[in-house]
Amino acid sequence: EIVMTQSPATLSVSPGERATLSCRASQSVNTYLAWYQQKPGQGPRLLIYGASIRATGIPDRFSGSGSGTQFTLTISSLQSEDIAVYYCHQYKNWPPGSFGQGTKLEI
Amino acid sequence: QVQLVESGGGVVQPGGSLRVSCAASGFTFSRFGMHWVRHSPGKGLEWMAFIPYDGSKIYYADSVKDRFTISRDNSKNTLYLQMNSLRAEDTAVYYCAKDPGGLGYNYVDYWGQGTLVTVSS
Repeated sequence: EIVMTQSPATLSVSPGERATLSCRASQSVNTYLAWYQQKPGQGPRLLIYGASIRATGIPDRFSGSGSGTQFTLTISSLQSEDIAVYYCHQYKNWPPGSFGQGTKLEI
Repeated sequence: QVQLVESGGGVVQPGGSLRVSCAASGFTFSRFGMHWVRHSPGKGLEWMAFIPYDGSKIYYADSVKDRFTISRDNSKNTLYLQMNSLRAEDTAVYYCAKDPGGLGYNYVDYWGQGTLVTVSS
């Protein structure tokens, strides 16, 4: 099983600042990597797939990068509505795939 | 727009059964694979099961194989998860989730809001 490790667990950022979230895979997943955003009381929302491809309707302040075992989600200028928990998800080794434990983004 | 609405969650005793449903709208349900994913405080997000657009090849997580059954009714735009022999560790929010492909790209492009299943005596 591929273990996904996200860091930090909690990230405090001021509005307008850049936020950088990390995800590390225990073995290579190439670019079979997605990022999701989850707000309280809601299901997750797809932000990025293929490590760097923005999903439909996602603002361009969200960007993904990386391949192999190291990945980054960057929010270039944090907005208040970006406060959420962010999860990475590898789907190279599927089934079952695996998710990270999440990074909570707060102001 | 794509909508996935789960229902049927609740409290069930250990060893009991429950069926959760997911009503889909806003897309051609019969063309896409569907997943169930759960979220618990102890294990985080955990993929449970996948059914392709035509129900031809179904996959399960080892933890629920032989206990859970995923199915779909394309005439009703509805996805189901039948859960038997429930255990305390099955307590979670269960999400219905759409795959971007018919046979499975294996990630999720749309999620429901979830339904809570609590297994407790």
